[in-house]
Amino acid sequence: GENVEQHPSTLSVQEGDSAVIKCTYSDSASNYFPWYKQELGKGPQLIIDIRSNVGEKKDQRIAVTLNKTAKHFSLHITETQPEDSAVYFCAASIASGGSYIPTFGRGTSLIVHP
Amino acid sequence: NAGVTQTPKFQVLKTGQSMTLQCAQDMNHEYMSWYRQDPGMGLRLIHYSVGAGITDQGEVPNGYNVSRSTTEDFPLRLLSAAPSQTSVYFCAARTGRTEAFFGQGTRLTVV
Repeated sequence: GENVEQHPSTLSVQEGDSAVIKCTYSDSASNYFPWYKQELGKGPQLIIDIRSNVGEKKDQRIAVTLNKTAKHFSLHITETQPEDSAVYFCAASIASGGSYIPTFGRGTSLIVHP
Repeated sequence: NAGVTQTPKFQVLKTGQSMTLQCAQDMNHEYMSWYRQDPGMGLRLIHYSVGAGITDQGEVPNGYNVSRSTTEDFPLRLLSAAPSQTSVYFCAARTGRTEAFFGQGTRLTVV
């Protein structure tokens, strides 16, 4: 099955710096890559996603890049703010029987210091 | 519009007991799913449903049952609780290709 590795497990930055979280996947059949933000005590929140036919996608301070050849994708957060502090999860999805089945990474705890 | 609602928020069970985790959504999404989240781990898919009357197994289905009699409800049943099932459980509803709406979670402890 699919295996998703996520690094780093913890990332500490100063407010205003950029943060980058990287994920690699093993199954070349994966073709959809969502990212989630999870605040303490809450469920995950979808923040951005990218399809395999797209190399980069941006949404305000957040961007995701995908390198299909190398089987890795990354989340970039610019001008970080304390409210960006949370656990971030990547996922790689494979189409199966008409549905997309995601495999999640283990998460990155992002700490933004004021 | 409540989104996805899970009950209870916390539960303590004794080994061998059974219980049902409730999940309800008011957005009329066909696809719903159940995940468990363990410390230092990502979310792992237990079961999912693509519509009323249709369910399928995910990555870690053993020890859990689901049913989907209506679009709104997707309960998860623990048949005989084991300490290995101590976890935080999330129910989700999907729009498009991925889970877009998660519940607040149920923290389950099996002693």
